[in-house]
Amino acid sequence: SQELEQSPQSLIVQEGKNLTINCTSSKTLYGLYWYKQKYGEGLIFLMMLQKGGEEKSHEKITAKLDEKKQQSSLHITASQPSHAGIYLCGADLYGNEKLTFGTGTRLTIIP
Amino acid sequence: DAGVIQSPRHEVTEMGQEVTLRCKPISGHDYLFWYRQTMMRGLELLIYFNNNVPIDDSGMPEDRFSAKMPNASFSTLKIQPSEPRDSAVYFCASSLAPVGALYEQYFGPGTRLTVT
Repeated sequence: SQELEQSPQSLIVQEGKNLTINCTSSKTLYGLYWYKQKYGEGLIFLMMLQKGGEEKSHEKITAKLDEKKQQSSLHITASQPSHAGIYLCGADLYGNEKLTFGTGTRLTIIP
Repeated sequence: DAGVIQSPRHEVTEMGQEVTLRCKPISGHDYLFWYRQTMMRGLELLIYFNNNVPIDDSGMPEDRFSAKMPNASFSTLKIQPSEPRDSAVYFCASSLAPVGALYEQYFGPGTRLTVT
């Protein structure tokens, strides 16, 4: 099984609707990163959450870290076509300076 | 800053050929990472460098893979000989600080490798 599970694997949302993507770890999270990837492009850094129940927002995207549940959620409010892409979470699961990435969530925004 | 630069963006080669992927990190970044992304395995770390020195290459799949960083502004990932199962997107990323410092990694656009 994957050490960082993302759900759902894919999501189709009507423009203007809200959505949530989850990232669940099998191990203690030493920080959690969210990246976005568009097809044929590299990963764009969105946000980084430190251990401790942190919450951050950037424009219409909010990310939270629940250390008890070993889970992070990414919430998009009033989705737009520009939000379409693949969202990846990454974490240092072993405290060994290496990021393990989740399986990814493919987000499609329809009119 | 131009960001992390990778070349080529696309590479198509025949099985058995040598392939060299190139990366120029962001100036001033002491950490450089090579990742591979496939549908089956997702995004995996292959190797990373600190101040041009390889720190962890445990993710390098086989001896056919090798990586070098001769100076702070250039790194290569070489596959020799290449095989069809090496087909993937290879990303280079750089960072100012180690992962433990909770500092983001900046990714290049990737090299899409197809081995026929």
